[in-house]
Amino acid sequence: AQKITQTQPGMFVQEKEAVTLDCTYDTSDPSYGLFWYKQPSSGEMIFLIYQGSYDQQNATEGRYSLNFQKARKSANLVISASQLGDSAMYFCAMREGRNTGNQFYFGTGTSLTVIP
Amino acid sequence: GAVVSQHPSRVICKSGTSVKIECRSLDFQATTMFWYRQFPKQSLMLMATSNEGSKATYEQGVEKDKFLINHASLTLSTLTVTSAHPEDSSFYICSARQGISSEQYFGPGTRLTVT
Repeated sequence: AQKITQTQPGMFVQEKEAVTLDCTYDTSDPSYGLFWYKQPSSGEMIFLIYQGSYDQQNATEGRYSLNFQKARKSANLVISASQLGDSAMYFCAMREGRNTGNQFYFGTGTSLTVIP
Repeated sequence: GAVVSQHPSRVICKSGTSVKIECRSLDFQATTMFWYRQFPKQSLMLMATSNEGSKATYEQGVEKDKFLINHASLTLSTLTVTSAHPEDSSFYICSARQGISSEQYFGPGTRLTVT
């Protein structure tokens, strides 16, 4: 079974609007971390936001917030006030276990295009 | 955060030749480095885990004789694609961590094109 599922291959959003990128995950480990990365055309993986499985509150980082619904095993990324520079690929990833050095499992990504 | 570099950033080689990609941790000692491969418009797939001073652990389906990984020092791991073919053309990304409980940091990637 896929560890991380991103069902939206491509998304479009109007500049200054908010957009939600979907991510569901599958694990039996009670301890895990969920990540979102942005990958522009240059290829660099840019860390956006992190949510730990035991975190009580949804993570927020500036215009990024993570809608964490543990029972549904979803970790959707919400980008508010979209900017043209937000156009990129977005990957959801999971790391199982307590060790922060464990490997990442990545989803297939969502290509976001911000329309002026 | 910590800095991980890769060299070269882009490389074009002819079919049948070998190419080496370097991954360096610039401001920390990386006991473990991970090598990922990403085909166009696809996700990152883990190829192998490299621990300093020991043999790399390869994921299922990755040919260890074709993708040679060396992690001879705490700041450098190399991936050598031997006898490269056009189907090896891909984006290769490394990540590095200092210890088992340390955060991982990604390199900027290397785009390999085999003609």
